[in-house]
Amino acid sequence: KAGVTQTPRYLIKTRGQQVTLSCSPISGHRSVSWYQQTPGQGLQFLFEYFSETQRNKGNFPGRFSGRQFSNSRSEMNVSTLELGDSALYLCASSSSMAGGPDTQYFGPGTRLTVL
Amino acid sequence: AQSVTQLGSHVSVSEGALVLLRCNYSSSVPPYLFWYVQYPNQGLQLLLKYTSAATLVKGINGFEAEFKKSETSFHLTKPSAHMSDAAEYFCAVSGADSSYKLIFGSGTRLLVRP
Repeated sequence: KAGVTQTPRYLIKTRGQQVTLSCSPISGHRSVSWYQQTPGQGLQFLFEYFSETQRNKGNFPGRFSGRQFSNSRSEMNVSTLELGDSALYLCASSSSMAGGPDTQYFGPGTRLTVL
Repeated sequence: AQSVTQLGSHVSVSEGALVLLRCNYSSSVPPYLFWYVQYPNQGLQLLLKYTSAATLVKGINGFEAEFKKSETSFHLTKPSAHMSDAAEYFCAVSGADSSYKLIFGSGTRLLVRP
């Protein structure tokens, strides 16, 4: 099976712009989670989608949003970019069929740089 | 609330030496515990996971971890380090609430000396 794919891999934006990142989960996986990784804050949970519904949300401002499509692909959007949004954004998918925490498989990430 | 503490932001070992990376967790209920590895410019790769079955968990690349409830620990070990083990390692916990999110430790960078 192909792994989790994320596009683009690298992105440079300027403050005030918005950005959309894409994630394709492993075939058959219905849960997609997003994480932000920065040197200062480490790995932080953004949100999780399951069957096109946001099931969980982390402590990020409303500028961070996401959605999931019927084929389980997911996008996250960051509006009005700030310098502090520069980070590696990781997407993870899981089958989420066991009724409890399942193994999350991560993609290679999108490196976002905000100038 | 759940949390994870990884002792030592950097650990340096000689090639062939024992690798020990420490992880302590805080959870009000039996947790699910994970170790992930991250190589430069890559995502996270699962090494192993504990889900309340055997307390000694074997993972990929010769790594293993032991769940010790009395010590709230889940330390990662490997008997003999290889140069290719140099990477950053993250311990994570999940499962205490209805969320399936992973809560990560701050990571430990493993350096392997020739």
